[in-house]
Amino acid sequence: HVQLVQSGAEVKEPGASMKVSCKASGYTFTNYHINWVRQAPGQGLEWMGIISPNTASYAQKFQGRVSMTMETSTSTVYMEMRSLTSEDTAVYYCARDPFDSSGYSLGFDYWGQGTLVIVSS
Amino acid sequence: SYELTQPPSVSVSPGQTARITCSGDALPKKYAYWYQQKAGQAPVLVIYEDNKRPSGIPERFSGSSSGTMATLTISGPQVEDEAAYYCYSTDASDHYRGVFGGGTKLTVL
Repeated sequence: HVQLVQSGAEVKEPGASMKVSCKASGYTFTNYHINWVRQAPGQGLEWMGIISPNTASYAQKFQGRVSMTMETSTSTVYMEMRSLTSEDTAVYYCARDPFDSSGYSLGFDYWGQGTLVIVSS
Repeated sequence: SYELTQPPSVSVSPGQTARITCSGDALPKKYAYWYQQKAGQAPVLVIYEDNKRPSGIPERFSGSSSGTMATLTISGPQVEDEAAYYCYSTDASDHYRGVFGGGTKLTVL
């Protein structure tokens, strides 16, 4: 069965970097996009970016501060974010994204369990 | 940057119909998707490509889109449908670049 298992919670100091992993299993890893979505405490969902073997696109807000990579040998996606501030305190989710023959999303059908990242001095 | 606008809250009685709207300038050209999120849980896809329902989602959930507005309709909502609902779509110029609406808290009285 399909699973996305994320790395554990982290506490970071302001100015530091974070790297969250998302290990996929139960499907052909390279046939799907992976999106990253975050949710600050008590707030809504925020789309951060998408990655697949052929593409990566980031929300304008995170351009230059976020990078997403895919390691096909281990079916793992990584999301790294630099120069953290307290406003980056959030739960970070990865989500599988099937797409049709035109490359359009069919919706995020499986989600990781979420990784809580707290940025605090 | 592109934005999707939702009402913050909607309240409905179990026998009524709940409608949650989502407005965005690119919706005439781009699909809308809807996610349900209950407290402490990851979101769940309930509608994709404007009006398609994933397997396992009850028939009382339906979606539509007209012009710059997409609508999630829940016919005869149950108490367990009480949750936050988020619309999602993509930028008109880059179909990989996504955006969520601010979310709507549905209360079933």
